[in-house]
Amino acid sequence: NAGVTQTPKFQVLKTGQSMTLQCAQDMNHEYMSWYRQDPGMGLRLIHYSVGAGITDQGEVPNGYNVSRSTTEDFPLRLLSAAPSQTSVYFCASNTLNTEAFFGQGTRLTVV
Amino acid sequence: TQLLEQSPQFLSIQEGENLTVYCNSSSVFSSLQWYRQEPGEGPVLLVTVVTGGEVKKLKRLTFQFGDARKDSSLHITAAQPGDTGLYLCAGAAGANNLFFGTGTRLTVIP
Repeated sequence: NAGVTQTPKFQVLKTGQSMTLQCAQDMNHEYMSWYRQDPGMGLRLIHYSVGAGITDQGEVPNGYNVSRSTTEDFPLRLLSAAPSQTSVYFCASNTLNTEAFFGQGTRLTVV
Repeated sequence: TQLLEQSPQFLSIQEGENLTVYCNSSSVFSSLQWYRQEPGEGPVLLVTVVTGGEVKKLKRLTFQFGDARKDSSLHITAAQPGDTGLYLCAGAAGANNLFFGTGTRLTVIP
């Protein structure tokens, strides 16, 4: 029972590089979300999707793109990495207003 | 934006003490969830409260949903080192899905 799978677990980027954080879920959830968590802080919503082909911005969307071509996958793209994007990124999936299942997180450092 | 403020932000107590964490908002939620996050892991659901005034118990943890469904509290009795972690509340508000609170980081000292 995989749940929500995020890859990679760790990543170091140079300023200006681009990369994609992968997220996949096998629970047929319609909602998927990306959050960032800075040291000692709670979760801030970056982007979310209410179903395949539909995405929307959250609280802190600048510098990130998402797409949802299938129910299972919700990749997060960093277009041009900046040191301010150093954070731990969590992907989550759920059915509307029910328990959110989280991945293990991706720890990203931008130097 | 439906802001959920948690207090206190940080809490450090001795093993055996009692504590209460608060989650407050000016918005009404259809339900409210509490999560615990341990270092290096994603948050994991502890409980969901749905009805205004509802109280749920999970061993030494007691969760209460405010009558007006705008706030919630988490009370831990006789805290143990295993209770250490980040506690997050999350409010459900219709089609906008879940809004997470700012978090309370609890440290229980043996």
